Order: sequence, then structure tokens, then C-alpha cells
Amino acid sequence: EFVLTQSPATLSLSPGERATLSCRASQSVSSDLAWYQQKPGQAPRLLMYDASNRATGIPARYSGSGSGTDFTLTISSLEPEDFAVYYCQQRSNRPLTWTFGQGTKVEIK
Amino acid sequence: EVQLVESGGGLVKPGESLRVSCAASGFTFSLYTMTWVRQAPGKGLEWVSSIRGGSDYIYYADSVEGRFTISRDNAENSLYLQMNSLRAEDTAVYYCARESRGYFYDYWGQGTLVTVSS
Repeated sequence: EFVLTQSPATLSLSPGERATLSCRASQSVSSDLAWYQQKPGQAPRLLMYDASNRATGIPARYSGSGSGTDFTLTISSLEPEDFAVYYCQQRSNRPLTWTFGQGTKVEIK
Repeated sequence: EVQLVESGGGLVKPGESLRVSCAASGFTFSLYTMTWVRQAPGKGLEWVSSIRGGSDYIYYADSVEGRFTISRDNAENSLYLQMNSLRAEDTAVYYCARESRGYFYDYWGQGTLVTVSS
């Protein structure tokens, strides 16, 4: 079974601080990894795709890196609107399924 | 502007059926794989089912295989999820999403809540 493990589960930080979120895959899937942000009561929003490409309209303080099994989402300096839950997501081919990580909540310290 | 609008959610009893819909606009619907993703209350995101543009390939999560049926009407720019034999654990917000590049979702609807309870 293909699994994405996100860490930490919760990140408590202050505005202006740097956030580093991790996503680890149970098997290598190249760089086909996406990140989403979700705020309470809202649908998820695409942040990054192909591990390091920002989606349309996503500010430059968001960056992504990694390949294979280890991926990172970095928010260089947290703005008030960045406090939310973040999910990573990939597709696995054997079997063909689409999987989300369990999420990392970035909360105000 | 791409828009996805879900409808059809509601309260049903265990064992009953429900069909949710997603109306798409702002893009050439038939060219895109469409997906249902759900989120149980207070939980994370779970992929449910995907359907290619021509309905030639359809995929289901193990948790819904044999109970749910995804379909689409490209003439009506609509996506559907027929849910049969519903269980309490199917209670969730159901989102439709447009798939891009074979694996990620670039547009999402606002979701429709399905509650399965006696």
C-alpha cells in the first residue's frame, strides 16, 4: 500500500517565522508531488505541483523541493493568511491510486 | 473562469442511496479527467474516484469499489457520483476536482455534505 507520511502533525509558529513541512513517500515516485492548503470551511487550494512549481497566483514565499521519497514545503516568512492545514498528494501506479498525506496543521503560536 | 459547483448532498440512512452532482464551467469539460475527493468531519482528504474525459477509464478507491459509480455527461458538463449501500463512514464533504497532468487537482468545487445516519 502506497502511503504518504507528513510531519510534523502540527507546527506552532509566529508570523514572520519560517515553516518547513515534510512529506515522505513509502516508495519512490519521481517528482510528481503536489501540495495543497486548506482553511476551515474551504475547499483545498493547489499550492505546488511537480514538487517545486508554484501554482497560479501562489506567492513566492512558498517553495517546494525534493524527489524520490522525501519532499519539503517551505514558507519563508509566515503571513497571517498562511495558518492552515497543508496536504501533500501523489499518484502511485501499482496499484493506480491517488493518495493524500494526513496533513500538517500550521497554527499560530 | 473555471467553476465547479457540487449539489445533491443531504442526510440519508445507512443502506440508502444518494447521487451527488458537479456542474462544470469555464473550460472544455470533455478534455479533463474529473475526480471526487471526500473529507470526513475533522479528518483529512481521501481520493474516491476518477473518470477520464471519454469515460473510457474509471478508477475507484477500495473503500467504495462496488458501491459507488462515477459517471459524466460531457454534453451537460456534469459529473456524477451515485452512492449506494451508504454507511456511516461515508459521511463526508464530497468535493469534485479537475485533474491536471495525470495526478494533481488544480480546481476544486466548494463541496457538498453527505451525512449517513439513522
